[in-house]
Amino acid sequence: DSGVTQTPKHLITATGQRVTLRCSPRSGDLSVYWYQQSLDQGLQFLIQYYNGEERAKGNILERFSAQQFPDLHSELNLSSLELGDSALYFCASSVARAQGEKLFFGSGTQLSVL
Amino acid sequence: GNSVTQMEGPVTLSEEAFLTINCTYTATGYPSLFWYVQYPGEGLQLLLKATKADDKGSNKGFEATYRKETTSFHLEKGSVQVSDSAVYFCALTQGGSEKLVFGKGTKLTVNP
Repeated sequence: DSGVTQTPKHLITATGQRVTLRCSPRSGDLSVYWYQQSLDQGLQFLIQYYNGEERAKGNILERFSAQQFPDLHSELNLSSLELGDSALYFCASSVARAQGEKLFFGSGTQLSVL
Repeated sequence: GNSVTQMEGPVTLSEEAFLTINCTYTATGYPSLFWYVQYPGEGLQLLLKATKADDKGSNKGFEATYRKETTSFHLEKGSVQVSDSAVYFCALTQGGSEKLVFGKGTKLTVNP
């Protein structure tokens, strides 16, 4: 158990809808990262927050947004969903700001857009 | 930009066979290099890392050596077990960059 909790584990929705994925980092970790894993694109970094502030941005679409709350949990919001958004979304956390530090990954949320 | 290229999978081996998973990278300067492992139904876990040229990372019988001259970080294990069946990801991050860049992953299946 990595100590990173993601909910829900599975999500099935329709095109055009909006969903929210939730992540609780390990106790004491200030950084939260979101990744998207798909068969064709592999593991893609989306965005990082550190202590409530956006720290780094990767290949995140404008339809997607994220935030980190004062209690350090994070939410990833996906809107106007398309079939191609179906993927496994991972959250990871670390104690430091830099991604060179060890990341602890949650088990992921499997999103299916029908 | 920075990138990581891993050998295409899947890789299927018998128990106690020797494993090599190739990884090469493109980066300016001196990146840190990582291998992460993803067991079925789980998130990724750090397996090993190396932060400078000629460093050897090792863990659970796996090893990888940071080769700057060949820009490689190949993963090796002398004798694989069924429990090593997983997807292995090579990754890099560069000093000053917040972005961890992953390869596409290599699926390993070890048969008894």
